[in-house]
Parts: sequence; C-alpha cells; structure tokens
Amino acid sequence: GAVVSQHPSRVICKSGTSVKIECRSLDFQATTMFWYRQFPKQSLMLMATSNEGSKATYEQGVEKDKFLINHASLTLSTLTVTSAHPEDSSFYICSAADTRKYNSPLHFGNGTRLTVT
Amino acid sequence: GQQLNQSPQSMFIQEGEDVSMNCTSSSIFNTWLWYKQDPGEGPVLLIALYKAGELTSNGRLTAQFGITRKDSFLNISASIPSDVGIYFCAGQLSGGADGLTFGKGTHLIIQP
Repeated sequence: GAVVSQHPSRVICKSGTSVKIECRSLDFQATTMFWYRQFPKQSLMLMATSNEGSKATYEQGVEKDKFLINHASLTLSTLTVTSAHPEDSSFYICSAADTRKYNSPLHFGNGTRLTVT
Repeated sequence: GQQLNQSPQSMFIQEGEDVSMNCTSSSIFNTWLWYKQDPGEGPVLLIALYKAGELTSNGRLTAQFGITRKDSFLNISASIPSDVGIYFCAGQLSGGADGLTFGKGTHLIIQP
C-alpha cells in the first residue's frame, strides 16, 4: 500500500534556528502533498498544500515566510520552519495521495515532533 | 474554514462491546475518511467512502457515507484492546486535490 515517509521523527532546536522536515512518497508519485500541524490533545489542522513545481498554497493564518515549503520532485516535499520559537513546538504531519489513481485516499507520514527551546 | 463535529469526544467501554461514533458537517463533502491515530504517530487510514449512501466494511469496522453528504458514522464491533486510540473522521471536497478537514477525534478507551 501507499507509504509516506517523514524525517526526522523528532527534533529539538534552539529558538531562532531553522528546521527542515522532509516528506517522501515511497512507492507512488504525488503532485500534491499536504502539511498539517497538531497540538497536544487536538485535531490535525491543515497548514498548507504543497504543489510540485509551483508555489504552495497556505491556509488562512499560516505565515508563508515562516513555514517555507518546497516540492521539487514528485516524491519529495519539505517544510522548513524558519526562526523557530517555542510556540512553534508541535507535531507536524504530512500526507500525500497517489496522483495516478483516481480517488486515491490520503496517507500520512508518522509525523515530526518539533520542540523549540 | 469548515468544521466537522465529531462525537463522542471520548468513550470508556468494556472489551467486547460495540462502538459507534459519528461526524456531521454544515457543508457537504465528496469523500469521507476515517483514521486511527496512536500516540506519537501519524493517522492510519481505516476506511474511505466516496459515494453518498455507501456502506463499507473493513474487518470489524463499518462506516457509512450519509445520504446528505454531510455526515458519516463508524462502528467497531466486538472491541479488543488494540482498538484503543483516537479516531478521526475527515472530509474532503475532491479526491487528491484538497486537504482534509478533520473532526476533533474520539478517544476510545477499553477497560479490561
């Protein structure tokens, strides 16, 4: 079945530094990937839609200059949290669906736990 | 953005009992999905529903896509300890091209 790999699974960084999170579709191509954020005991909230070869689209309230998204190939999207602050500490999860299959459901990576100190 | 109302928020049940949870929305979705999330991991797809009225099973799990396209339910029969976790419903406007709108989750706790 469709597998989405996310790396790293955990990262701790100091305030003011930048962190890059990778999302890969391992056995399928995805022209579109999605990035979500989940705070403790809350649901997943869509942050942005990553589009291969073009600019990402961001949900209302999500700063595009802070959360940089690059989707350089059909199997890789990256999310960079720039100048991270403690309030950015969260669980970041990506998802993707197989572009070649109609109505292919979205599968999720295992998430990245970001802790900003 | 759109909101999904998922209930109940939590359930405390005995092993072997059946479980039912549902989601409702003020607007229609063209796809409904149900996921299970274990602590510290990403959601895992349980069932995907694509047609209004569709009833789909996956082992002990059964889910239905409401006729109005504004609701869905998930049933789990004869619960077992590994069913413990948080279950999320999610709606999608179009396959693949749109991100998901998630419900707030149902936390299932099974007492031995």
